Amino acid sequence: EAGVAQSPRYKIIEKRQSVAFWCNPISGHATLYWYQQILGQGPKLLIQFQNNGVVDDSQLPKDRFSAERLKGVDSTLKIQPAKLEDSAVYLCASSPRAGTAYNEQFFGPGTRLTVL
Amino acid sequence: GQSLEQPSEVTAVEGAIVQINCTYQTSGFYGLSWYQQHDGGAPTFLSYNGLDGLEETGRFSSFLSRSDSYGYLLLQELQMKDSASYFCAVRDQPSGAGSYQLTFGKGTKLSVIP
Repeated sequence: EAGVAQSPRYKIIEKRQSVAFWCNPISGHATLYWYQQILGQGPKLLIQFQNNGVVDDSQLPKDRFSAERLKGVDSTLKIQPAKLEDSAVYLCASSPRAGTAYNEQFFGPGTRLTVL
Repeated sequence: GQSLEQPSEVTAVEGAIVQINCTYQTSGFYGLSWYQQHDGGAPTFLSYNGLDGLEETGRFSSFLSRSDSYGYLLLQELQMKDSASYFCAVRDQPSGAGSYQLTFGKGTKLSVIP
């Protein structure tokens, strides 16, 4: 079974530029999460999708961050314009469906973003 | 809101046993998960406790006491490859049954030495 795929793996941009990350979850997984992990901290949830609908985006800085999950499969996360404090690893995770007793989230390798 | 506390660093000797504690203060709680993350790698699921007590999976065990808002991860027969960061995470469902989410602690960096 293929895991969660993310691209690019690394990205370096200057502040005020735009950047987009892509995620392909495990086939059949209805729930998709985007996390931000700053160095030395745990992952912080940015947005959660159930199929192609947003379940929770309360921690997404909507003035500069946006995300979509067209057709309930792939997802993209965009930052426009980027700030220095956006330097972090952006992790995508998926799970079979929300509310399942299975409880495991499957994480992709992440995209390491450096904003100069 | 959610708040989790765990030690920032732990060092242990190969072959020994180490316990990583996690205390939490949450507005909602459905269970406690543990994830392992090697440097530069993705977090991977280790265990989940939805009820009080001990869950065992091979060399790893996890414990939960909901009345004490406390849990721990126990790693036995430590191996060098266990050197990694370990995160406790509270499971909550803030927007109802369709919104299961995890809030992660800051992580404990475990160093296994020969």
